Amino acid sequence: QVQLQESGPGLVKPSETLSLTCGVSGYSIGSGYYWGWIRQPPGRGLEYIGSIYYSGTTFNNPSLKSRVTMSVDTSKNQFSLKVGSVTAADTAVYYCARQNCTGGSCYFDQWGQGTLVTVSS
Amino acid sequence: SYELTQPPSVSVSPGQTARITCSGDALPNRNAYWYRQKSGQAPVVVIYKDSERPSGIPERFSGSSSGTTVTLTISGVQAEDEADYYCQSADSSGTCWVFGGGTKLTVL
Repeated sequence: QVQLQESGPGLVKPSETLSLTCGVSGYSIGSGYYWGWIRQPPGRGLEYIGSIYYSGTTFNNPSLKSRVTMSVDTSKNQFSLKVGSVTAADTAVYYCARQNCTGGSCYFDQWGQGTLVTVSS
Repeated sequence: SYELTQPPSVSVSPGQTARITCSGDALPNRNAYWYRQKSGQAPVVVIYKDSERPSGIPERFSGSSSGTTVTLTISGVQAEDEADYYCQSADSSGTCWVFGGGTKLTVL
């Protein structure tokens, strides 16, 4: 059973960079699948941030693309997210998830429990 | 940017049928997926590829598609089905995945 776990600071100052890591167990990320990030502001809906393949290929939400950097470390079986120049609007629960793609159609079949990141001085 | 539109809320009595719709221009050419999110928990997929049900999801959950609208149907709603439901698909490029705004299902 694959399990994902987000980790990182729960509080980030405005204008700084938000950094999160997702550790994966029960599956080697170098074996396939895309690995994604989704966020959910308090009391609001889900927003796709981006996805990364073990080779480093990425897909991004155009609305966030200029501020988002993703990376993968197959040796540690984890992948990471950085969001630069954060504001209060970036306050959200951040989820990492496995993205299951077949025939060009993709969905998120395994999720981490999520971690709340608050942007505040 | 591409959007998927869902009703903010749906209310049904136990045992009745709940239908939650999701509309988007690219849906005739893209698969849709449905997630259930209970309070304080991560989303769980309940329907994939428009109408397929993952193992472990009750048979009362079903999905359908017609033109630019997909529908999640929950037959014989139970109190435990009370949750937020989100549809998800891709835009016309096929490489940006989008979620609907979510529908809160209330079991009266």
